[in-house]
Amino acid sequence: AQSVTQPDIHITVSEGASLELRCNYSYGATPYLFWYVQSPGQGLQLLLKYFSGDTLVQGIKGFEAEFKRSQSSFNLRKPSVHWSDAAEYFCAGPLGGYNKLIFGAGTRLAVHP
Amino acid sequence: DTGVSQNPRHKITKRGQNVTFRCDPISEHNRLYWYRQTLGQGPEFLTYFQNEAQLEKSRLLSDRFSAERPKGSFSTLEIQRTEQGDSAMYLCASSFAGTGVKNEQFFGPGTRLTVL
Repeated sequence: AQSVTQPDIHITVSEGASLELRCNYSYGATPYLFWYVQSPGQGLQLLLKYFSGDTLVQGIKGFEAEFKRSQSSFNLRKPSVHWSDAAEYFCAGPLGGYNKLIFGAGTRLAVHP
Repeated sequence: DTGVSQNPRHKITKRGQNVTFRCDPISEHNRLYWYRQTLGQGPEFLTYFQNEAQLEKSRLLSDRFSAERPKGSFSTLEIQRTEQGDSAMYLCASSFAGTGVKNEQFFGPGTRLTVL
């Protein structure tokens, strides 16, 4: 069965510290994968996407993610977190083909000054 | 084009009432999706359209829910006889699906429904 798992429900980091949010997927074929960010009461904004090719993908707002087939992971990283990065982050992948998405439960990021 | 828009942004209703939400996708997008997001969870797929055809519905979409996209542009999602369990954020997304084009979905701001 296809699934996307985000093991960390909450993460707190200090401003300026590095960040890594974990995402694991279960999918038979090569998936395409996304990271979205959601601020309180808002819709989802696409941070970055992986379809194929280079396994390290760059996104907006200084985020990057690395696709690792051997670990079934697509972790999101940022070298230096800003207070404005506080939000909820969702990893998503294909569900039942390539026509719809399945999302992880999300990781809520808090940033301490 | 400014992206996917949804109206209303918030809706409060009493149990048993009917509600209707509207989604206007990005104009050149031929696919439109509805998702539901409850507190503390990721969005869950409800249904999607390609042009005006509703191609798939999730088992989450009970008989009280109906979605339309009459001219392949905007879509409406109606919930009849609302229940408190329907309280959630309803998200709309759109994409352009075609040969050689990846199905990247763009989301609207959502409609938050509260059923009292």
